[in-house]
Amino acid sequence: ETGVTQSPTHLIKTRGQQVTLRCSSQSGHNTVSWYQQALGQGPQFIFQYYREEENGRGNFPPRFSGLQFPNYSSELNVNALELDDSALYLCASSGTYNEQFFGPGTRLTVL
Amino acid sequence: QKEVEQDPGPLSVPEGAIVSLNCTYSNSAFQYFMWYRQYSRKGPELLMYTYSSGNKEDGRFTAQVDKSSKYISLFIRDSQPSDSATYLCAMKRPLNNFNKFYFGSGTKLNVKP
Repeated sequence: ETGVTQSPTHLIKTRGQQVTLRCSSQSGHNTVSWYQQALGQGPQFIFQYYREEENGRGNFPPRFSGLQFPNYSSELNVNALELDDSALYLCASSGTYNEQFFGPGTRLTVL
Repeated sequence: QKEVEQDPGPLSVPEGAIVSLNCTYSNSAFQYFMWYRQYSRKGPELLMYTYSSGNKEDGRFTAQVDKSSKYISLFIRDSQPSDSATYLCAMKRPLNNFNKFYFGSGTKLNVKP
């Protein structure tokens, strides 16, 4: 059984650019959530995908968007990058709805 | 006021000590409680998961939930230098098909050899 994987590991972008981050969920898990973790803070919920539909969103603007594919893998897209978007982006998958297993994260730096 | 409060530390203890980590929360609807361990620049790793009130033990780790006080704890016995990490508490409401977790800001633990 493979765990949650994310790519890329690190990414450097400039303000105004767009970025796509990718996640493969743990085998058998059909729910994927995305979190943003700023330095020294706990993860903040961005949104969740269940069976290819977004079914919950945190306090993030529409320039944060996502997709989930039939194999339950997922993408997070961020448009018009701002300096404050610099953070560790975490993907988590769950199958029982109560436990979440996180991937290693993608560290995004916006210059 | 944040929904989940956690002392950021850092907490420094000698090897072999008993460590107590705590979180308080404000939303009485939270029913599921987790503790994660996060090493520097890595993703959080699930340590303990409890439902509602009570205790749960797993090896050197014990999780306690006191819903009447809105207070949860994680105890680590016989702490090891490899336990040095940031510990995050997380919790959620019992909504089916919706996994929004609310996290504390994390407590940084340093176990000295």
